Amino acid sequence: GQQLNQNPQSMFIQEGEDVSMNCTSSSIFNTWLWYKQDPGEGPVLLIALYKAGELTSNGRLTAQFGITRKDSFLNISASIPSDVGIYFCAGPVSGAGSYQLTFGKGTKLSVIP
Amino acid sequence: EAQVTQNPRYLITVTGKKLTVTCSQNMNHEYMSWYRQDPGLGLRQIYYSMNVEVTDKGDVPEGYKVSRKEKRNFPLILESPSPNQTSLYFCASSFIDRDKLFFGSGTQLSVL
Repeated sequence: GQQLNQNPQSMFIQEGEDVSMNCTSSSIFNTWLWYKQDPGEGPVLLIALYKAGELTSNGRLTAQFGITRKDSFLNISASIPSDVGIYFCAGPVSGAGSYQLTFGKGTKLSVIP
Repeated sequence: EAQVTQNPRYLITVTGKKLTVTCSQNMNHEYMSWYRQDPGLGLRQIYYSMNVEVTDKGDVPEGYKVSRKEKRNFPLILESPSPNQTSLYFCASSFIDRDKLFFGSGTQLSVL
């Protein structure tokens, strides 16, 4: 299947710092999704992006759909301890009568109080 | 409450002993899917279903079976589990636009 590359794989930051992570693909995506997985839970959708260049916010989170449609970015401002978790980007891959949602390997975020 | 329910939450079994992990959703979603999560590998899709009686292989289907006899249920079957199937499994569902997946809380499977 198509691969999504997330960077960085993990990061340790101080509480209050801003966070940036990205997701890239060799293929074009028409939708970019960002999920967060809290420890011990299933992933939860944070932001969905549907248009190249789109910038969408959800509280302290802001995500952007890259102009080339091959990348997306997620920023978290003024991090807090509950931001800890794994952040996944995802994109749909569809064909004749088929559909799959492909996930990146995730960025694991640790926040130091 | 709208949710995806997986059972069991934890399971320890031995090689070759057939097992089933159940998944049920109460949101009338057409699309359901199974993923496995392994350290460093992220979420990989095992099987998915676009509607009742319609199932398709994902990226890592070997060693797994699924069925979709009813819209709300999508069980994952391991006919002869092996240690390399030790993993954290997630069931997920969504409406026809398919990208807003709702995930269950996961099933941690250990095959000895």
